[in-house]
Amino acid sequence: EADIYQTPRYLVIGTGKKITLECSQTMGHDKMYWYQQDPGMELHLIHYSYGVNSTEKGDLSSESTVSRIRTEHFPLTLESARPSHTSQYLCASSGGTNSPLHFGNGTRLTVT
Amino acid sequence: AQSVTQLGSHVSVSEGALVLLRCNYSSSVPPYLFWYVQYPNQGLQLLLKYTSAATLVKGINGFEAEFKKSETSFHLTKPSAHMSDAAEYFCAVTSRSGNTPLVFGKGTRLSVIA
Repeated sequence: EADIYQTPRYLVIGTGKKITLECSQTMGHDKMYWYQQDPGMELHLIHYSYGVNSTEKGDLSSESTVSRIRTEHFPLTLESARPSHTSQYLCASSGGTNSPLHFGNGTRLTVT
Repeated sequence: AQSVTQLGSHVSVSEGALVLLRCNYSSSVPPYLFWYVQYPNQGLQLLLKYTSAATLVKGINGFEAEFKKSETSFHLTKPSAHMSDAAEYFCAVTSRSGNTPLVFGKGTRLSVIA
């Protein structure tokens, strides 16, 4: 039922590699978000965007970067992955002012 | 700054028993409040939301929550727990302006015992 898609679903990579986590939504939502979540733990906002060419850092310091060139696409990039980046990354989007977030199923990243 | 506090990182109930998950918010202005559920290896799914209409909000899967301004609370309840309710539950808050991202609580893991 998800209208927001994240790929890959699982990723295991070596230290130092550059990776991009993909997130796309088909709902035309202006607002998109990236959260980091360790297993069974709280969500930490790392990046968000309220529209094309607009991005902001969230509460959690992150070595990742994002871009918003198209409304439907909000990729997250790690230039040089480290074991400390091992986590689950959740993408979400929302429409109007009091609209709820729609979440993707997440990307579970393991850096060896 | 807005925040939510979820009391109890883990709640365990028997099948058929009442479910009560607690959430208290902190906000200088009346907020919008949400409850989300997360099943293993999935993203979060909206259970219900409070946006200043009725204070008793009904959601999916038989859950409901009541906004109590005097207690700054938004507790989630379900009269009778089902095994399929076992999951992680998150309370979240945002401002009515819509200019601030959603802030999540630390989550409460609900276990249902047969």
